[in-house]
Amino acid sequence: NAGVMQNPRHLVRRRGQEARLRCSPMKGHSHVYWYRQLPEEGLKFMVYLQKENIIDESGMPKERFSAEFPKEGPSILRIQQVVRGDSAAYFCASSPFGSLGSGANVLTFGAGSRLTVL
Amino acid sequence: QKEVEQDPGPLSVPEGAIVSLNCTYSNSAFQYFMWYRQYSRKGPELLMYTYSSGNKEDGRFTAQVDKSSKYISLFIRDSQPSDSATYLCAILLTGGGNKLTFGTGTQLKVEL
Repeated sequence: NAGVMQNPRHLVRRRGQEARLRCSPMKGHSHVYWYRQLPEEGLKFMVYLQKENIIDESGMPKERFSAEFPKEGPSILRIQQVVRGDSAAYFCASSPFGSLGSGANVLTFGAGSRLTVL
Repeated sequence: QKEVEQDPGPLSVPEGAIVSLNCTYSNSAFQYFMWYRQYSRKGPELLMYTYSSGNKEDGRFTAQVDKSSKYISLFIRDSQPSDSATYLCAILLTGGGNKLTFGTGTQLKVEL
């Protein structure tokens, strides 16, 4: 089991460019979450998706950020017109079911994608 | 006030010491409590998970929850240099969807 796979591990973009971060959940997991970790800050929830559906995007900035989890392929976090403040580590996590907190249905995180905006 | 407060450290202890890591939280509706360990440049990995007050033990690790004080702790016995990492507490709100609220993490260094 390869775990949660994220790529690229490191991404450098200039201001105004687009960043696309990809996440393949663990085998058998159909729930995907994106978190952002800024320097000296904890992990902050961004969005929760199931296949083809956004369940909760309450942590996503209103502009420039979008996420999808298509029927086929990985989940994508897309940041348009990046700014220096977008520089952070972006972590994807997955779970086998919804309703976190029930039994062993906990999050498994990937190694993260580190975005640097020049 | 932050929903979850955690001392960022760094905390430095000698090998073999007992380590105590703590978080406080403000919302009494939080019901599920987790501790994650994060090595440098890696993703968080789940260490302990509990949903009730009291202690839960797993090897050298003990998670303790005191809901009346809104206080959670992680104890590491016989600490090893390989325990050097950042430890994150994470809390889940009952009925609040699937959003974990994380502390900022405590950086631990276990020295030989």
